[in-house]
Formats: sequence, C-alpha cells, structure tokens
Amino acid sequence: EAQVTQNPRYLITVTGKKLTVTCSQNMNHEYMSWYRQDPGLGLRQIYYSMNVEVTDKGDVPEGYKVSRKEKRNFPLILESPSPNQTSLYFCASSPTWDRGLSGYGYTFGSGTRLTVV
Amino acid sequence: GNSVTQMEGPVTLSEEAFLTINCTYTATGYPSLFWYVQYPGEGLQLLLKATKADDKGSNKGFEATYRKETTSFHLEKGSVQVSDSAVYFCALSDRDTNAGKSTFGDGTTLTVKP
Repeated sequence: EAQVTQNPRYLITVTGKKLTVTCSQNMNHEYMSWYRQDPGLGLRQIYYSMNVEVTDKGDVPEGYKVSRKEKRNFPLILESPSPNQTSLYFCASSPTWDRGLSGYGYTFGSGTRLTVV
Repeated sequence: GNSVTQMEGPVTLSEEAFLTINCTYTATGYPSLFWYVQYPGEGLQLLLKATKADDKGSNKGFEATYRKETTSFHLEKGSVQVSDSAVYFCALSDRDTNAGKSTFGDGTTLTVKP
C-alpha cells in the first residue's frame, strides 16, 4: 500500500532531551515536507525537501533540523525540545512539488502527537 | 507573504443541508488553490484543487471556484452526509514566488447530525 509512515504516533518527552520523529514513504516521491498543526494556527510548514540532499526552511524552522540522505526518509530532529514545540506533526510527500500543485496533491502521514513537559 | 483565511468553526449541520465554508487568500503571485479534508485520527487528504482563475474544482459532491477578483475559493456541497464530518483546510501554493512552500488555513470543523 502506498503510504507515508510516521513514528511514533504519540510521544511524551522532557525539555532538552533530543528526539527524532521518523518519516518514510514507499512511493519514490522526490518532494517531502514537515508541518505542525496547532489550534487556531492551522498547519505551518517547518522544512521541506525537493530531493535527496536538498532541504529548505519553511515558515517555522526554529528549533528543528531535518536531513534527506535517501529519497524515502525525511526525519525531523528536535535537538533540545521545549514546551512550545508541543504539537501535532505531519509529514507529507509528493512525486515532485510541481505535481503536488498540478492536482496530484500531497500524501500525508497519520501524524505524531508530541508533548514536551 | 501569503496567507489563507477560513471561516471560523465549528459548523454543525443537519444531514442533507447545504454547506458553504468560506476561504479567502492573499498571495503575491498566481497561486494554485486546494481544499484538503482530515478525518478523525488521520492525515490530510486532497479533496479538490484549482490552478487558475475561474477554474472549478470538484470531487465527491464538493465544489469550489477560483475567484481572482474576490481572492476567494469557497467550498460548497449541496447535500451533506454524516460521513462528511471532518476538518476542512483551504491551502495555496505559489509556484512563481515560493517554490516548495504551501500555506494552509486554520481549518474548519464540520459536524453533520442525522
């Protein structure tokens, strides 16, 4: 089944403890992106990647890192999490960014609910 | 920068009622516009899209028309069902000025009662 898989689905952690949220897609998509969803703020883009080894900042990149060493994986790294990073996180992919615009749309993962205490 | 404004929810309707969810946008270029739907516990799914002025996107009985003069992309459905209960997001991507980036609205929660 074609899908975007995020892990874990739920995570509670403490301030300052490094964590990684994994994202993997099995569709050979070039474009991948991370979003966070917060009440009253909608979805905000954190980072995106047009292809392997190419990453760029979205609208809210502070406090996050990403890497794209291989096409299928796009992990989100929080080096020193803080309570304001408590949120619902989504990974998304598309064959290319342009095809995401042309009607193919993006395929989203099921989300990771992160709580930082 | 780009922005998307959706009507505030939640919206509660009876089955077979007419649905409108308003969406207006601000963009520096000529964006493509989208509606996504999120069912409980799931990720977002593309519902429909329009890539240029006066285009009408449609899917599963939902429609939205790209109105450049009013910078709007309102979502409509003539007769909603209980299964349409979900969160709806309006979004835009601007190919010319923000390659790779997408902007989403806050989402509107729809509940349809039998």
